[in-house]
Order: sequence, then structure tokens, then C-alpha cells
Amino acid sequence: AQSVAQPEDQVNVAEGNPLTVKCTYSVSGNPYLFWYVQYPNRGLQFLLKYITGDNLVKGSYGFEAEFNKSQTSFHLKKPSALVSDSALYFCAVRRAGNNRKLIWGLGTSLAVNP
Amino acid sequence: NAGVTQTPKFQVLKTGQSMTLQCAQDMNHEYMSWYRQDPGMGLRLIHYSVGAGITDQGEVPNGYNVSRSTTEDFPLRLLSAAPSQTSVYFCASQGGWSSYEQYFGPGTRLTVT
Repeated sequence: AQSVAQPEDQVNVAEGNPLTVKCTYSVSGNPYLFWYVQYPNRGLQFLLKYITGDNLVKGSYGFEAEFNKSQTSFHLKKPSALVSDSALYFCAVRRAGNNRKLIWGLGTSLAVNP
Repeated sequence: NAGVTQTPKFQVLKTGQSMTLQCAQDMNHEYMSWYRQDPGMGLRLIHYSVGAGITDQGEVPNGYNVSRSTTEDFPLRLLSAAPSQTSVYFCASQGGWSSYEQYFGPGTRLTVT
């Protein structure tokens, strides 16, 4: 069965420090991988995706993510965190060539402390 | 270009009442979907549609109906509201097969008493 795991419910980081939000997945075939962000009382916004090609993908607001096929991971990273990055982050996966249904992780709450 | 819009933003229902959550998009997207978001459970797919006249069930469809008579609109109907349907509901849309990003509406916060 396809699944996505975000092993940390919450991540705390000091402003200016690098941040990592972890995601691992289980899907047969080639995966399409996504990160979305949800600010308080808002809908989800797309951050970045991996479809094919370079394992390091860059997205909005200075975020990037690295696809690691051997470890089935797609961790979200940012070199220097901002207080405004504090939000809920969701990882999602779908199988390449399948319909457009996404399998979602449970989300990780990121708190960036000033 | 308004993107994905949802109405109402907030709603309180009594058990047994019915209502319709509205969702519209102006991007001519084929794919639309409804999710519910509950604490500790992430996003769960209720129903989805791959085009006008075509709908299918997601992972938690019971108690909800949908229809897709136009490309733009994808309403979600609660037939007989139950407290277990208290949640935040999000509508999302996506373009063609080469389009990967889903666009989300601002959500409807529903409380069933």
C-alpha cells in the first residue's frame, strides 16, 4: 500500500539556523513527490515537487528538497529559517502514471523561534 | 483570476440537518477534489472528479455526495449531518496530466452540534 510518513509532529528551530522537515514514502513504481505548506487558518499552498531529473529540487520561499531513492526519502530543507516560515508542512506522494490522487503525510508543525 | 473559492467560511449545523458546501474554480481545471482535515489525521480525500459528469469516491465518502455538472463547480453535500463530520473542509483543483500542482481553496470550518 502507498503511504507517506512524517516522523516528527513538531520541529523547533532558531531563526537563522538551517531547518529540515523529514518525509519518507512507500509507493510502487516511480514516485511523484510534493511539499505543501499551510499557514494558520489558510488553505494549503504548493511549495515544490520532484517528478524526474535532478534529485535536488528548489521551490518557493527559499525551500529545497532532496529526493533519495535508496532511502525513499524527500526531506524539506532551508539553509536559514525565518520566523515567518512557522507553519504546518505536508509531504504528499502519487505514483507516476496513476490518477491524480495524492497520498498525504500527517503534517509537521514547524516553529521558528526568534 | 480568483483561483479556488469556497463558501461559506464557517457553518454550524445541528445533527440531522443537510447543507451544501460550495466550491468553484476559474482556471478551467479538469480535476477537483474535496478533503477534510482533522487534527492528527492530516488530509483525507472525500470525493474527487476528473471532469464534468465524472465523480468518484475517495477514502472517506460516507455521508457525503458530490456532483460535477460544470467544469467550474464541485459542490459537496452533507445529507444528514453528524458530529463526526465536524471538520475543516478543503476543495482543490488541478489541471491536465502534465500539471502537478493542486490549488486549494481557503476552507470551510464546519461544526455539527
